[in-house]
Amino acid sequence: DVKVTQSSRYLVKRTGEKVFLECVQDMDHENMFWYRQDPGLGLRLIYFSYDVKMKEKGDIPEGYSVSREKKERFSLILESASTNQTSMYLCASRAGTGGNYTFGSGTRLTVV
Amino acid sequence: GEDVEQSLFLSVREGDSSVINCTYTDSSSTYLYWYKQEPGAGLQLLTYIFSNMDMKQDQRLTVLLNKKDKHLSLRIADTQTGDSAIYFCAEGAAGNKLTFGGGTRVLVKP
Repeated sequence: DVKVTQSSRYLVKRTGEKVFLECVQDMDHENMFWYRQDPGLGLRLIYFSYDVKMKEKGDIPEGYSVSREKKERFSLILESASTNQTSMYLCASRAGTGGNYTFGSGTRLTVV
Repeated sequence: GEDVEQSLFLSVREGDSSVINCTYTDSSSTYLYWYKQEPGAGLQLLTYIFSNMDMKQDQRLTVLLNKKDKHLSLRIADTQTGDSAIYFCAEGAAGNKLTFGGGTRVLVKP
């Protein structure tokens, strides 16, 4: 089974801090995604990557950046955390040839 | 852009059938998905349907697709308390990204 592992289940950070959310997958998938989940809004795509060192903006990239230095790892970076970035963040991966998306368990980030 | 809409809440009695509805706007959708999210967990893929199909059945789950009306539904037969969760409809069209609905919270009452 594909595993997508997010390093933290819960994080509390202060406004203005730089925050790193890490995601690792173990099935050599080309595509990786970061979503945020907010009540009533479903999941909204922040960034995705279809290959190492490649990245594409999703629907709500403002305030975020990403890094994909190795195929298995996709990091989401909040350069200067703000309270409106308090949310559940979900990472997903998918093979380049198609197939299903596999999600991690999520990181609940609170910015105070 | 693409848009996917779902009702927010559904209450159902244990043993009854649940029907969760979803509408989408992108006519180029290739796959349509149903995901389940239990409290504190990530998303679990329940089932999916290709856009050239109109029905798919998998044990207690039946997916119906009306491509003309861009309407997707998930029917859960003999709903159990363990089916209480948030259910997300998603469509995959352009490139690799999925567009999700807002989620339907299903509450199963004993």
